[in-house]
Amino acid sequence: GQNIDQPTEMTATEGAIVQINCTYQTSGFNGLFWYQQHAGEAPTFLSYNVLDGLEEKGRFSSFLSRSKGYSYLLLKELQMKDSASYLCASLGNRDDKIIFGKGTRLHILP
Amino acid sequence: DGGITQSPKYLFRKEGQNVTLSCEQNLNHDAMYWYRQDPGQGLRLIYYSQIVNDFQKGDIAEGYSVSREKKESFPLTVTSAQKNPTAFYLCASRLGGQAFFGQGTRLTVV
Repeated sequence: GQNIDQPTEMTATEGAIVQINCTYQTSGFNGLFWYQQHAGEAPTFLSYNVLDGLEEKGRFSSFLSRSKGYSYLLLKELQMKDSASYLCASLGNRDDKIIFGKGTRLHILP
Repeated sequence: DGGITQSPKYLFRKEGQNVTLSCEQNLNHDAMYWYRQDPGQGLRLIYYSQIVNDFQKGDIAEGYSVSREKKESFPLTVTSAQKNPTAFYLCASRLGGQAFFGQGTRLTVV
């Protein structure tokens, strides 16, 4: 089976840094996606990690540890527009399924 | 302009009617996916397809059907057997570590 856990909600302050964690347990693992979803809209792709380590893309970075079944999304220099849900999803290596966690709703305070 | 298109954005149907949601992509992606999202919830996998003329059930396939006659197209039919069809339906396509969503179709059954 597959299980993906991430915190339900987080709050951070404009200009600060926030780390959103994701743990996964899957029967076969290929890689891990992160998406951003604003209320009422479709998710937009942020990153895909297949190798261990940190990948940086501007203000957003994503980290993966395959041995620990753990990933995080790091958002720097937070802006009000970063208020959204952040979705973690695993890609299976046997069946090509993409399974999502329930998402983390991030609130940014001025 | 490459992308994935879902239509329509909003759809209303009477209870007991079947309805088909369209999903088209011109990204030349092999894999396509259908998800359902209920208010405040995560994405749940309905069906997915890895290649043309082949598809597999996801976690909540009951009451839904799909076809994959062309690489570009993966329509989803919500049948009258689906007990709670009102939801936000999202289609995605993937090639390797690139997986993108369409804008979604918000279906309301009255």
